[in-house]
Amino acid sequence: EDQVTQSPEALRLQEGESSSLNCSYTVSGLRGLFWYRQDPGKGPEFLFTLYSAGEEKEKERLKATLTKKESFLHITAPKPEDSATYLCAVRNSGNTPLVFGKGTRLSVIA
Amino acid sequence: EAQVTQNPRYLITVTGKKLTVTCSQNMNHEYMSWYRQDPGLGLRQIYYSMNVEVTDKGDVPEGYKVSRKEKRNFPLILESPSPNQTSLYFCASSLSDRNTEAFFGQGTRLTVV
Repeated sequence: EDQVTQSPEALRLQEGESSSLNCSYTVSGLRGLFWYRQDPGKGPEFLFTLYSAGEEKEKERLKATLTKKESFLHITAPKPEDSATYLCAVRNSGNTPLVFGKGTRLSVIA
Repeated sequence: EAQVTQNPRYLITVTGKKLTVTCSQNMNHEYMSWYRQDPGLGLRQIYYSMNVEVTDKGDVPEGYKVSRKEKRNFPLILESPSPNQTSLYFCASSLSDRNTEAFFGQGTRLTVV
């Protein structure tokens, strides 16, 4: 059974204090790993797709990396507007549903 | 503007009263899906559709029905809602099941009493 575990559940950072969020996964044949951002009361917003170990993608202060067992979302010099819940999801090589982790709730304090 | 539109945004209903949550996308996407989001459980897929007239069960399909008669619309039907279906529901669409730059709707908060 495909599983996605995100850590920590919640993270509180000072503005400018860089950190990383972790997404550990177990999947039979990774077809893609995805990061989303979700603001309270809104639908998830797509950030990145990673397909193979060693792949990296960047967008503004965010950088996502992928290994064979986990993915990291690095946040460099975060700002208060980066506060949100960050969701990780995987899809395996079969025709199966996307499996989401429970998310990391990030708070960035000015 | 590219978007996924769900209606209604909020709904309170009684046990057993049939309801439909509508979902429409204006991006000509083939792949559409429904999720429910519950505290402590995260997002779980209910049903998905690869194209018109092609639907399949996700992780938690019990108590739900869907249809895909047109490419743009993917309604979620609760024939006999129960309190355990109280949840936040999201519809999503993407160009294909491989391209998961998925666009999510704004959500429907459903309460079944």
